[in-house]
Amino acid sequence: QKEVEQDPGPLSVPEGAIVSLNCTYSNSAFQYFMWYRQYSRKGPELLMYTYSSGNKEDGRFTAQVDKSSKYISLFIRDSQPSDSATYLCAMTVSGGYQKVTFGIGTKLQVIP
Amino acid sequence: NAGVMQNPRHLVRRRGQEARLRCSPMKGHSHVYWYRQLPEEGLKFMVYLQKENIIDESGMPKERFSAEFPKEGPSILRIQQVVRGDSAAYFCASSPTSGVGNEKLFFGSGTQLSVL
Repeated sequence: QKEVEQDPGPLSVPEGAIVSLNCTYSNSAFQYFMWYRQYSRKGPELLMYTYSSGNKEDGRFTAQVDKSSKYISLFIRDSQPSDSATYLCAMTVSGGYQKVTFGIGTKLQVIP
Repeated sequence: NAGVMQNPRHLVRRRGQEARLRCSPMKGHSHVYWYRQLPEEGLKFMVYLQKENIIDESGMPKERFSAEFPKEGPSILRIQQVVRGDSAAYFCASSPTSGVGNEKLFFGSGTQLSVL
């Protein structure tokens, strides 16, 4: 069993739709949860970061963490074609350095 | 302010040759991480280095792979006697400190290694 499970998609939605992306994990030691966005042939870019359980909102993006269920989500409101990318969930224990465990990534396409 | 610079962007090697991948971290960053992205597997941690020190190499294959981050110059990921299974995108990331917290990891655009 992988430490982090993520549906690779692809996921196609019309412009303006609400997108829901999620991951499950098995390691209860994970404390820091992140979402990265990766455009084709580029490196990942940090979108959202949350510590422990709860919600965090940043513009059109909302990240949710439910540690009791070992489940994290990223919601994108009013999706735009420019949101078309691969979204990777990521997490790490409080180890003092960033040895991050990534999900495989969900490929999202927002159709104009 | 240049980001994390990786070169070459594409590297083609024949089986048995050596591959050298270079990474210059962002200015002011002294912490470097290497990740490998294999098709169908996602990004995997390989090694974490600070200047002149390997801090954690638990993700590195035991043979043929080595990494360094010298006092001067870029970090180097070296793969000896490459095999087809080494074909992947190799990403370097840097950060200003070792803290997790809200510290961002800044990734380069990667080196795509193809082994013929």
